[in-house]
Order: sequence, then C-alpha cells, then structure tokens
Amino acid sequence: GAGVSQTPSNKVTEKGKYVELRCDPISGHTALYWYRQSLGQGPEFLIYFQGTGAADDSGLPNDRFFAVRPEGSVSTLKIQRTERGDSAVYLCASSLGPGGEGRSEAFFGQGTRLTVV
Amino acid sequence: GDSVTQMEGPVTLSEEAFLTINCTYTATGYPSLFWYVQYPGEGLQLLLKATKADDKGSNKGFEATYRKETTSFHLEKGSVQVSDSAVYFCALSDSGDYKLSFGAGTTVTVRA
Repeated sequence: GAGVSQTPSNKVTEKGKYVELRCDPISGHTALYWYRQSLGQGPEFLIYFQGTGAADDSGLPNDRFFAVRPEGSVSTLKIQRTERGDSAVYLCASSLGPGGEGRSEAFFGQGTRLTVV
Repeated sequence: GDSVTQMEGPVTLSEEAFLTINCTYTATGYPSLFWYVQYPGEGLQLLLKATKADDKGSNKGFEATYRKETTSFHLEKGSVQVSDSAVYFCALSDSGDYKLSFGAGTTVTVRA
C-alpha cells in the first residue's frame, strides 16, 4: 500500500491481558514513530525508531509498554497487563529521515483504537 | 518543556465564512510549526508548515504565519467549504528534534 498501515483498526481487550499493535510504514522510510491519542486530546509521543533501534523511548509511560522494529520496517507496540487507562488511539507515523532543519514530513496511519474493559 | 495551546472547539460555521483557529506555543529552541488535519475516518495529514520566524505556510486556501514575537501560529481560511469539516491540530518540533508536540485539536464543522 501507499500509506502507513496499522492493524488491527480496533482492539477490545480485558484488563490484565497482553496486546500487540502492528505498524507497517511506507516503504523506504527509515524513521518510525508511535504516538498515543486519548479522547479529546492531541497525540502524545511515545517512541521513535531510526532503522532498527529505538533512538528515543522517553515517551513510553511505564515498563508495561515496549516496542520493537527488528528488521527496520514493520514495528510492533506491545502492552503488558493492560489497564483501563491504556484505552486510546495508538498512532504510527513514518518519515524518510529524522528531524532537524530539513525535517521530513511524517505520514500517519489511521490508528488502532484500543479499548480495555 | 515544549507545549502547544490551541483554541478550544467545537467551531461551527456556515459555508463561505471566515475561519480562524488560534495557536500559541512554548518552546526552548527555534521550533518548526505545523498544522495537521484529520478528516472523518482518515489519518492525520500535514496541512501546512513553517520552519522559521515570519514564514507563511499555505495549502488548500489555508494560511498560517510564524510569529516569534507573539509565539503564535494561527490558522486562517477566508472562505470555508463543507469539505473543510475536520479536526485541526497545531504542532511543533523543536530545533534539531523529531518529536511532534500537539495541541488538543479543534473540531470544525461547516454547514451548507
């Protein structure tokens, strides 16, 4: 596909369960970002990958959250022992390169709506 | 830390009305400023951007000017259409940075 693809589009899980959210970035984009958007708020940064490595994970709220990008393309956001407060839309974005003056435009997926019941 | 404050919504307008959405920011360096738009059922899309003071970003009839003296980046459109109904987000990335800091979003509804 031409854009950033996220699956599933919706996920309902029970409190305490483990979930995985997948992001397939635009082909050739080396930078990948995860954001979380709670109801009525703007997206909040979680983690940034440049290639396979997490260059900045300062936005991850706690150690229940983890993300990987083993081959520098697809990324998976993993949430352990989910809590009701984790309910939000999780957005993935990708760009050609990292930030700076000539910052590349970030293209966003449609998000995964996670509901923890 | 960096932050963005934008006008609260929702905003409801008639077609051909003038739209302004206010946005102010706080940043430690020299940020780049952005407006993103989210149409119903779609992902966030970059609408326009400005990378330094006094730059004007424009796209699809929308404009915003980077005002360093007032730390603002207000979005304007002279004549809105029904198809402009969406949620608009102001955002910044600080100099040399890659993270975007977003405002809370403003929902705009344009009636025919």
